[in-house]
Amino acid sequence: GNSVTQMEGPVTLSEEAFLTINCTYTATGYPSLFWYVQYPGEGLQLLLKATKADDKGSNKGFEATYRKETTSFHLEKGSVQVSDSAVYFCALMDSSYKLIFGSGTRLLVRP
Amino acid sequence: SQTIHQWPATLVQPVGSPLSLECTVEGTSNPNLYWYRQAAGRGLQLLFYSVGIGQISSEVPQNLSASRPQDRQFILSSKKLLLSDSGFYLCAWSEGQISGNTIYFGEGSWLTVV
Repeated sequence: GNSVTQMEGPVTLSEEAFLTINCTYTATGYPSLFWYVQYPGEGLQLLLKATKADDKGSNKGFEATYRKETTSFHLEKGSVQVSDSAVYFCALMDSSYKLIFGSGTRLLVRP
Repeated sequence: SQTIHQWPATLVQPVGSPLSLECTVEGTSNPNLYWYRQAAGRGLQLLFYSVGIGQISSEVPQNLSASRPQDRQFILSSKKLLLSDSGFYLCAWSEGQISGNTIYFGEGSWLTVV
């Protein structure tokens, strides 16, 4: 069946460090892929998405490229800020238009 | 623009009591609607989804039920809560059945069963 695997957290970085959060998926066909962010005590917000192979989603300095060869959608940011501290969820949309989420990765950025 | 509201934001309920969480979407018609649950320190689990009035699909067997009495209203219910029902409940919506359409989430409801 369809599934999403994310790297275990928490990830702790200093401000202005480079961020990578790994995400790989298992699915039939080529599902749309998403990154959502959850700030403390809040719901989920869409961060970026990609709907086909080789697409790059980007928003707020974050980027992720849909790699069908490696079935991956890793999240990157060149210089993180304290305000980026949150939980990040990778997800795929299955053929029934439902999101299947990874377990989430907590990011803590220290000043 | 479209908005989603869910309430109450927080509630503390005793074991065995009933539950009703409500969610409404504005600014769109015939949305897909979803209920997710996030247990403490864990990922998100899809509980129910609906593609139209009265059409509910359950993803996991459990102590909860869902109803969609109106096009943009989605209700999560329980007749008798269990301790294991505690968690963060998120309502969400998307437009139609189009691959790649974004699913938008509400602010969530914190449920603590004591």
